[in-house]
Amino acid sequence: EAQVTQNPRYLITVTGKKLTVTCSQNMNHEYMSWYRQDPGLGLRQIYYSMNVEVTDKGDVPEGYKVSRKEKRNFPLILESPSPNQTSLYFCASKPGHLYNEQFFGPGTRLTVL
Amino acid sequence: SQQGEEDPQALSIQEGENATMNCSYKTSINNLQWYRQNSGRGLVHLILIRSNEREKHSGRLRVTLDTSKKSSSLLITASRAADTASYFCATDARETSGSRLTFGEGTQLTVNP
Repeated sequence: EAQVTQNPRYLITVTGKKLTVTCSQNMNHEYMSWYRQDPGLGLRQIYYSMNVEVTDKGDVPEGYKVSRKEKRNFPLILESPSPNQTSLYFCASKPGHLYNEQFFGPGTRLTVL
Repeated sequence: SQQGEEDPQALSIQEGENATMNCSYKTSINNLQWYRQNSGRGLVHLILIRSNEREKHSGRLRVTLDTSKKSSSLLITASRAADTASYFCATDARETSGSRLTFGEGTQLTVNP
């Protein structure tokens, strides 16, 4: 089944403890992206990647890192999480940056205490 | 400020009625997309309208686009309880052409049986 998967789906952690949220897609998509969703703010883009080893900042990149070493995976790294990073995170992919529809993962609900 | 703002923020209707949601945006766009999100889950692409189109249909969905007013509307006809979800517009700005989508804050639609 064609899909975008994220792990973990739920995570409660403490301030300063490094964590990684994984994202994987099995559709051979070139483009991948991370969003966070907060009440009243909609989805905001954190980082995106147009292809392997090509990443760029979105609207809210502060406090996050990403890497794209292989096409299928696009992990989101929080080196030192803070409570304001408590949010619902979505990974998305699409075949190429000129393609329109994005395919979303199921989301990761992160709570930073 | 946020590109892509929807109104109303919340809409409650009876089954069988039509639901109309509006979206405004600020910059020149290549296309505008509508996504649906069931509670806390990933977004699903519904329909796309290009900047040179004025109206588009897909099943019970009708989307209009007025580039002079920088606004779009999504009409869901003959609504069903299963249409209960949040609906987001997302713009693909001309200046970033395909590399980024900017989402609005969403409209929460409740369809009462």
